[in-house]
Amino acid sequence: NAGVTQTPKFRILKIGQSMTLQCAQDMNHNYMYWYRQDPGMGLKLIYYSVGAGITDKGEVPNGYNVSRSTTEDFPLRLELAAPSQTSVYFCASSYSSRRARNTEAFFGQGTRLTVV
Amino acid sequence: AQKVTQAQTEISVVEKEDVTLDCVYETRDTTYYLFWYKQPPSGELVFLIRRNSFDEQNEISGRYSWNFQKSTSSFNFTITASQVVDSAVYFCALSEEETDSWGKFQFGAGTQVVVTP
Repeated sequence: NAGVTQTPKFRILKIGQSMTLQCAQDMNHNYMYWYRQDPGMGLKLIYYSVGAGITDKGEVPNGYNVSRSTTEDFPLRLELAAPSQTSVYFCASSYSSRRARNTEAFFGQGTRLTVV
Repeated sequence: AQKVTQAQTEISVVEKEDVTLDCVYETRDTTYYLFWYKQPPSGELVFLIRRNSFDEQNEISGRYSWNFQKSTSSFNFTITASQVVDSAVYFCALSEEETDSWGKFQFGAGTQVVVTP
């Protein structure tokens, strides 16, 4: 089972460049998330999605955009990269329904992004 | 407001000692879910346990045990007879059901556990 797959694993961006972090899951999970983890800190929610076509802002959405055109994919777009966006980015997915509420989230391996 | 507080930044122990990690949460929901995740030096996040607010039964799984107390809003985690492989950052997380936070995981800042031989 692939689980949650993130690409790339590492990336260096110059200030002002843009990029898309890819995330795909093969577990048929309805919920997907993007978190960032700054050094020595916990995870902060950037955006999340409860299903295809539905996205919503998390705690730190500024400077990012997402889309969810399919159940499997949840790409994160960085426009005009800034040094403050240097972080490790984690994509995650989970399943929630009336019968299985708030199950655990499965995480990708992370993308280490440096903006210089 | 911080909903999940892990007051311990780092705990250092010698192998075979027990380690208890504290987690205090804040919610007004009557239905919610608590989780522990482990992040080893390799960086991935590994799910350890999930508890819902209706299940206060404490559990032991091998060297791991959990103590959930709604009265004090705490969900503590103990590693018995620690091993070097337990060295990692441990995160406590909360997922609420009844508010607009439904389905979102809110993480504490994490506790770094260092186990030395």
